[in-house]
Amino acid sequence: DIQMTQSPSTLTASVGDRVTITCRASQSFISWLAWYQQKPGKAPNLLIYKASRLQSGVPSRFSGRGSGTEFTLTISSLQPDDFATYYCQQYHTYPWTFGQGTKVEIK
Amino acid sequence: QVQLQESGPGLVKPSETLSLTCTVSGGSINNYYWSWVRQPPGKGLEWLGHIYHSGSTNYNPSLKSRVTISVGTSTNHFSLQLSSVTAADTAVYYCTRVVAYCIDGVCYHPIDSWGQGTLVTVSS
Repeated sequence: DIQMTQSPSTLTASVGDRVTITCRASQSFISWLAWYQQKPGKAPNLLIYKASRLQSGVPSRFSGRGSGTEFTLTISSLQPDDFATYYCQQYHTYPWTFGQGTKVEIK
Repeated sequence: QVQLQESGPGLVKPSETLSLTCTVSGGSINNYYWSWVRQPPGKGLEWLGHIYHSGSTNYNPSLKSRVTISVGTSTNHFSLQLSSVTAADTAVYYCTRVVAYCIDGVCYHPIDSWGQGTLVTVSS
């Protein structure tokens, strides 16, 4: 299985900050990576697919990049609605696997 | 916009079979993959498997052949069965749609739609 490791596990930031979450894969692949946002008690929501493509309706302050074994999700200016947990997911190889999550908290 | 809704028992006894159904509305079940993802309380996400509308499946080997996913195209639903459950199977179970975004001849399959999730507790 491809192990996905996110860092940090928790990130404390203020409204307006630029934040970056990293996702490292145990095996290399090109772009078969997605990012999801999950708020408490809710289902995850797709933000980015193909490592860097923004899902329709997702604000442009979210961006993704990376290839190989290292991928990043950046929020350019953190908004109150962005405090949530973020997961990366690879769909390059079965079984599909998720990172353990990064919780973005208010400073 | 497609909507997914899970249904099934919220309590299952150890060693029994967990059975859930996902009803798809607002769109066809054809030409998509449909998957199940679960999340133990306070923990991360685990992909259980998926099925194409034609019936072909792919499962997570970690479940050791306990999982079966089936699809009913005429009734626009798909189902999950997980046998021989233990307390470790207690989780929120989500049914999801897997979309195919094809770019330059290569297709990418993120999960673009999720049900609201249903908590299944395994306990005697």
